[in-house]
Amino acid sequence: DAGVIQSPRHEVTEMGQEVTLRCKPISGHNSLFWYRQTMMRGLELLIYFNNNVPIDDSGMPEDRFSAKMPNASFSTLKIQPSEPRDSAVYFCASSYYGRSQASPLHFGNGTRLTVT
Amino acid sequence: DAKTTQPPSMDCAEGRAANLPCNHSTISGNEYVYWYRQIHSQGPQYIIHGLKNNETNEMASLIITEDRKSSTLILPHATLRDTAVYYCIVRASGSARQLTFGSGTQLTVLP
Repeated sequence: DAGVIQSPRHEVTEMGQEVTLRCKPISGHNSLFWYRQTMMRGLELLIYFNNNVPIDDSGMPEDRFSAKMPNASFSTLKIQPSEPRDSAVYFCASSYYGRSQASPLHFGNGTRLTVT
Repeated sequence: DAKTTQPPSMDCAEGRAANLPCNHSTISGNEYVYWYRQIHSQGPQYIIHGLKNNETNEMASLIITEDRKSSTLILPHATLRDTAVYYCIVRASGSARQLTFGSGTQLTVLP
């Protein structure tokens, strides 16, 4: 079990540039979550998908943020254009959601984004 | 999901048991108690979860009071590598919703 795989591990970009973060969930998991962590606000949910369909995107800060899940094994989080206040660690997590139970979330090791 | 309350920080001597408390007085009957930890620069790591019975796995034990209004995570023999922020989270069974993280407890294991 390779776990949740995120890339890149670190990303440094200039304000105004487009940033794309990638996530490969654990095989067999059907729920995927994007979180953001900062010192000021802690861990915040941005969006989550169930069976590749976005269920709740109320945590997405603004229209500059978008997320897609084209298939069960891949998701992207895109920021366009990026701003310095987007600097944070972005985590992807996955779990299995069944008829009456949900497995624990398993997190990747995150992407540390720095926007200068 | 029910709100949880944890102490902001705790210390523990290496080799001793670490007992981390959590209050969740508004927990509902179908809500589980989950524990995660986050070691610096890593993603949160699942530790254990339970409904009302005590649970044990290779990492820790979870003791839930009979009224389910509080719980304790026990690391039986803490090591320096257990230094982390520990999060107690309450979440409904069968929910595909996200976990909502609070501030957690910073556990520091001292040599």
